[in-house]
Amino acid sequence: DAKTTQPPSMDCAEGRAANLPCNHSTISGNEYVYWYRQIHSQGPQYIIHGLKNNETNEMASLIITEDRKSSTLILPHATLRDTAVYYCIVMFSGGYNKLIFGAGTRLAVHP
Amino acid sequence: NAGVTQTPKFQVLKTGQSMTLQCAQDMNHNSMYWYRQDPGMGLRLIYYSASEGTTDKGEVPNGYNVSRLNKREFSLRLESAAPSQTSVYFCASSELMGSKETQYFGPGTRLLVL
Repeated sequence: DAKTTQPPSMDCAEGRAANLPCNHSTISGNEYVYWYRQIHSQGPQYIIHGLKNNETNEMASLIITEDRKSSTLILPHATLRDTAVYYCIVMFSGGYNKLIFGAGTRLAVHP
Repeated sequence: NAGVTQTPKFQVLKTGQSMTLQCAQDMNHNSMYWYRQDPGMGLRLIYYSASEGTTDKGEVPNGYNVSRLNKREFSLRLESAAPSQTSVYFCASSELMGSKETQYFGPGTRLLVL
């Protein structure tokens, strides 16, 4: 079973920030939070990951609460091409790991 | 650098037929994975291979076999296809760089079993 809970769907206006929440209340101390997205039946694509500090890269920002029980993925200026299903996944990092996907959040970006 | 490639892209089988889905990666990754995705669902792991010569079962291995032929190739075989195996199949490989483990996915194989 997935160890995360996400809203099934969200909407966002183009050019605005999209904030996608994720609950992972049973996360253990050495598990990371990973975000992937899947655009229209393509293979999933890595976005960002973090352990306890906030992270930012060219695609997005990841805000993890101090107790690590929840996180938020932020797409600062959403575009139509960001319309996708976003998956929040917790897992150990190191060696090989099996991604356990939940149902994710379907983000629709509209003009 | 093609990344992860999968063949075929589409396949229609009759119940009871067999087939092999092929996957290859050119990124020199040790770990490879096979997932299936049913309509409206997230991906589920079928089998994985931590390194050349090793394979292990994932969440939904029944009805499938795998072969890690070499470091580049990881194939998935359906010995006797069933309609319940109608799905999209994704292959992935992964690398570990520091704390970041990234899985790279192929474009998928769409399988219909009649």
